[in-house]
Amino acid sequence: GENVEQHPSTLSVQEGDSAVIKCTYSDSASNYFPWYKQELGKRPQLIIDIRSNVGEKKDQRIAVTLNKTAKHFSLHITETQPEDSAVYFCAARGPNNYGQNFVFGPGTRLSVLP
Amino acid sequence: GAGVSQSPSNKVTEKGKDVELRCDPISGHTALYWYRQRLGQGLEFLIYFQGNSAPDKSGLPSDRFSAERTGESVSTLTIQRTQQEDSAVYLCASSAHPPGDEQYFGPGTRLTVT
Repeated sequence: GENVEQHPSTLSVQEGDSAVIKCTYSDSASNYFPWYKQELGKRPQLIIDIRSNVGEKKDQRIAVTLNKTAKHFSLHITETQPEDSAVYFCAARGPNNYGQNFVFGPGTRLSVLP
Repeated sequence: GAGVSQSPSNKVTEKGKDVELRCDPISGHTALYWYRQRLGQGLEFLIYFQGNSAPDKSGLPSDRFSAERTGESVSTLTIQRTQQEDSAVYLCASSAHPPGDEQYFGPGTRLTVT
């Protein structure tokens, strides 16, 4: 089955700097890659996603890039702010007969230092 | 409109007892997912429903875990003969399928087995 790895596990950046989180997946047939943000004690919320037919997607300070050949995708946050501090999870939708099996990475705890 | 709701928000139970966790998805969402999140860990997929059928039960960790769903509405996750390692936050998510992929998460049920 699908396996998703995520690095780094923790990341500290100064406010205003950029943050990059990288995920790799194992199943080349995976076709949907969302990123979720989970603040302490709260539920995960989708912040951006990308499909396998697109190489890059951007939404204001957040962007995601996908390299299908290398089977990795990355989250880029520019001009980080203290409210970006949270745990970020990547996921890959690994295909099965029903195409709905989401596999999440272990998460990255991002701390933005003021 | 109303988001995904879960009940109870917290549940403390003694080892060996059965527990039932409830999820109310967003109205009209046909897809429903259950995940387990241990403290400081990622999201572990348990089961996926499409309507009231469960095409993917691959994540259920043992036969003590079961889930059902009534139509395209409420789902219950039942854990029999609870063990201490079952202690975790149990998250439910729903999505519109088709066409949506975004999963909307509920607030979770924090289960503590003593």
